[in-house]
Amino acid sequence: DIQMTQSPSSVSASVGDRVTITCRASQGISSWLAWYQQKPGKAPKLLIYAASSLQSGVPSRFSGSGSGTDFTLTISSLQPEDFATYYCQQANSFPPVTFGGGTKVEIK
Amino acid sequence: EVQLVESGGGLVQPGGSLRLSCAASGFTFSSYWMSWVRQAPGKGLEWVANIKQDGSEKYYVDSVKGRFTISRDNAKNSLYLQMNSLRAEDTAVYYCARDSEMTTVTTGWFDPWGQGTLVTVSS
Repeated sequence: DIQMTQSPSSVSASVGDRVTITCRASQGISSWLAWYQQKPGKAPKLLIYAASSLQSGVPSRFSGSGSGTDFTLTISSLQPEDFATYYCQQANSFPPVTFGGGTKVEIK
Repeated sequence: EVQLVESGGGLVQPGGSLRLSCAASGFTFSSYWMSWVRQAPGKGLEWVANIKQDGSEKYYVDSVKGRFTISRDNAKNSLYLQMNSLRAEDTAVYYCARDSEMTTVTTGWFDPWGQGTLVTVSS
């Protein structure tokens, strides 16, 4: 199975900050990567798919980049509603699809 | 409005069985791959199983093969997960999730997700 490693595991940031989260795959996955946002007690929400495509309805301050093994999720200007945990997920080698361990974005 | 509503979770003893259901509405259920994804308390996400539109293909994570069975009833717009021989490590919130697109081959992206149902395996 492909292992997905996210870093950092948590980040403290202020409203308006630029936040970058990285995700590394244990082997190449082309652009078969998604990013999800999960708030406490809620279901995950798809933000980005195919590494850089913005899901409908997701604010443009979210962006994704990368291919192969290294990927990045960037929040250009952090908003209060963005404090949450973010997960990457690969869908290149299926089954199974696999998720990263998560990155918690906390208020500084 | 697209909606997925899970039910059937609860407390079960090790070795016991449970059947989860997911009621879908607001979209053509029979046109989408569907999945179950779980999340142990305080932990990350783990994909469990998925099923093709007509039920002809089913896939499972290794840890549940032979114990869990995914199925669907397109006439009832419902997805199911039959869980047998449950173990403590199966304790989790179980989410029903739809593929993000109507495609013959699963995209592997999940959108939307249901609110989840908690399964607790404990004596």
